[in-house]
Amino acid sequence: NAGVTQTPKFQVLKTGQSMTLQCAQDMNHNSMYWYRQDPGMGLRLIYYSASEGTTDKGEVPNGYNVSRLNKREFSLRLESAAPSQTSVYFCASSEQGMGTSGPNEQFFGPGTRLTVL
Amino acid sequence: RKEVEQDPGPFNVPEGATVAFNCTYSNSASQSFFWYRQDCRKEPKLLMSVYSSGNEDGRFTAQLNRASQYISLLIRDSKLSDSATYLCVVNPGLYAGNNRKLIWGLGTSLAVNP
Repeated sequence: NAGVTQTPKFQVLKTGQSMTLQCAQDMNHNSMYWYRQDPGMGLRLIYYSASEGTTDKGEVPNGYNVSRLNKREFSLRLESAAPSQTSVYFCASSEQGMGTSGPNEQFFGPGTRLTVL
Repeated sequence: RKEVEQDPGPFNVPEGATVAFNCTYSNSASQSFFWYRQDCRKEPKLLMSVYSSGNEDGRFTAQLNRASQYISLLIRDSKLSDSATYLCVVNPGLYAGNNRKLIWGLGTSLAVNP
């Protein structure tokens, strides 16, 4: 099992450019998440998908959109990148969703390091 | 009070030492708790889940004290490879106002020295 995979690993964008970060998991997990991690801020949830066909905003959704393409894939799109979106982006998945009493340990991909100039 | 608080450290300990980290949480209704480990420039990885009164996995022991609303992580016989940041994570469960997110601490940095 590859677990959670993310592409690309690194990306440099100019302000105003758009891009899509890809994420896939092969653990048959129901829930998937996108986080950003910035120094001194910890992990912050951008969007999540509790199950295939549903998506919800997290803590910092502005400037982002997501698509749960199927059970395996969850993509994050930046429509018009801004320097404030320079960050490390992590995708994660869990068997069950947050807020439930089921198995909801999250497993992370290796991250995408994004710089917006 | 922050939802999840950790001492940021850094904790500098010699190999073989025993080190303990504490984490406090504000929501008494929180359902489950985790310790994750994050190496520099890597993704967080689950170290231990803490569901009841605590559990042990080799050199690592996690304890939960619901009355005082804290969890702890004890590492015995520290190895150089234990050097990392340890993140405390709380599942607040379902309650009004929760937008269904895990609450992540900022982490405690550990450096094990030869």
